[in-house]
Amino acid sequence: AQSVSQHNHHVILSEAASLELGCNYSYGGTVNLFWYVQYPGQHLQLLLKYFSGDPLVKGIKGFEAEFIKSKFSFNLRKPSVQWSDTAEYFCAVHNTNAGKSTFGDGTTLTVKP
Amino acid sequence: DAGVTQSPTHLIKTRGQQVTLRCSPKSGHDTVSWYQQALGQGPQFIFQYYEEEERQRGNFPDRFSGHQFPNYSSELNVNALLLGDSALYLCASSLGLAKTGELFFGEGSRLTVL
Repeated sequence: AQSVSQHNHHVILSEAASLELGCNYSYGGTVNLFWYVQYPGQHLQLLLKYFSGDPLVKGIKGFEAEFIKSKFSFNLRKPSVQWSDTAEYFCAVHNTNAGKSTFGDGTTLTVKP
Repeated sequence: DAGVTQSPTHLIKTRGQQVTLRCSPKSGHDTVSWYQQALGQGPQFIFQYYEEEERQRGNFPDRFSGHQFPNYSSELNVNALLLGDSALYLCASSLGLAKTGELFFGEGSRLTVL
């Protein structure tokens, strides 16, 4: 069965620190990849997505992610975090053949001012 | 902003009862998917509705059922509630069976089963 693993359950950083959140998935076929973010008190919203092409994708608010097919990974990065980035981040993998999406268990990011 | 709207936002039920949750998709979307998010976990896929039919189903018992109406809105019904059904229930809308996987979420309905 398809699975998504997010390595860090809770990350605490100071403002201006660099961020990298890991995401690995188990499915070997064609996938579309997503990072969603849930800010406190808000709904899940799309941060960035990868369908094909350049494996380095840029999203909103300075976030980027790199798809490494050989490693089945789609790690999220941001060079300098802000207090307002405090949120829960979910990696999701969409199996284009089965038409199903699988989410990781999320990483809670706390940014200290 | 005609985003995804869900109701009710919070509700409390007792074991054995039945619950109905409602969702209106984002304007222009025709596909509704339902997810269960337990505390500390990611969203788990329950099922997907398109053209008023259930098209995909996750690993959930048939106590979980749904419906989609001609206006694309949807309901999630859970019968014979168990304590373990306590969770945030998310509705996600998309276009055309969500073939790309891109989803637009509502704020969820938080169900507590006592």
